[in-house]
Amino acid sequence: GESVGLHLPTLSVQEGDNSIINCAYSNSASDYFIWYKQESGKGPQFIIDIRSNMDKRQGQRVTVLLNKTVKHLSLQIAATQPGDSAVYFCAEIGGTSYGKLTFGQGTILTVHP
Amino acid sequence: NAGVTQTPKFQVLKTGQSMTLQCAQDMNHNSMYWYRQDPGMGLRLIYYSASEGTTDKGEVPNGYNVSRLNKREFSLRLESAAPSQTSVYFCASSGPPGTQINYGYTFGSGTRLTVV
Repeated sequence: GESVGLHLPTLSVQEGDNSIINCAYSNSASDYFIWYKQESGKGPQFIIDIRSNMDKRQGQRVTVLLNKTVKHLSLQIAATQPGDSAVYFCAEIGGTSYGKLTFGQGTILTVHP
Repeated sequence: NAGVTQTPKFQVLKTGQSMTLQCAQDMNHNSMYWYRQDPGMGLRLIYYSASEGTTDKGEVPNGYNVSRLNKREFSLRLESAAPSQTSVYFCASSGPPGTQINYGYTFGSGTRLTVV
């Protein structure tokens, strides 16, 4: 079936560095993508989203890039802080899966002081 | 506070026991969802309710039943719990597409279920 997956399961960075988390998706009908942050013991928390008619979207310290040609999106976190340590998931909605998120496996981001 | 409320937060069941996980949202969302999350994995959809009065199977519905009691409440029932159902369960709700950032997709804090 269609799926969304991540290239790297773990990422360790130093405080102040920029972080890049990647995600590959396979459903060409996907038209909406969301990045979530999940801290231990909590539910997923919305970070940023992007629609398929966009290539880039910026938020506060975060940027999402979408490359539809290779079905790839990334989350860039600028000046990473220890509070950014969490699991990050990409998720997609699209095609016939209205309203139903398909999640990737997740990337564990660890920020060292 | 507005959001999605799940109960209980923790539960231990013996194999074969039954239980119901409760979920309520106060954002007037039409759609509600139940997901499960296993270690090292993303969330997988169990059942969803696109609107009050309707329910549909998701990716992993076997062993579960749901009830959309009203617009606010969506419960998940395990009729005969099995160790394979040990997981963290998340309820979520969302509004119509295109009307809100993120569809207003909001998750509860989860129910950690262990079946022994």
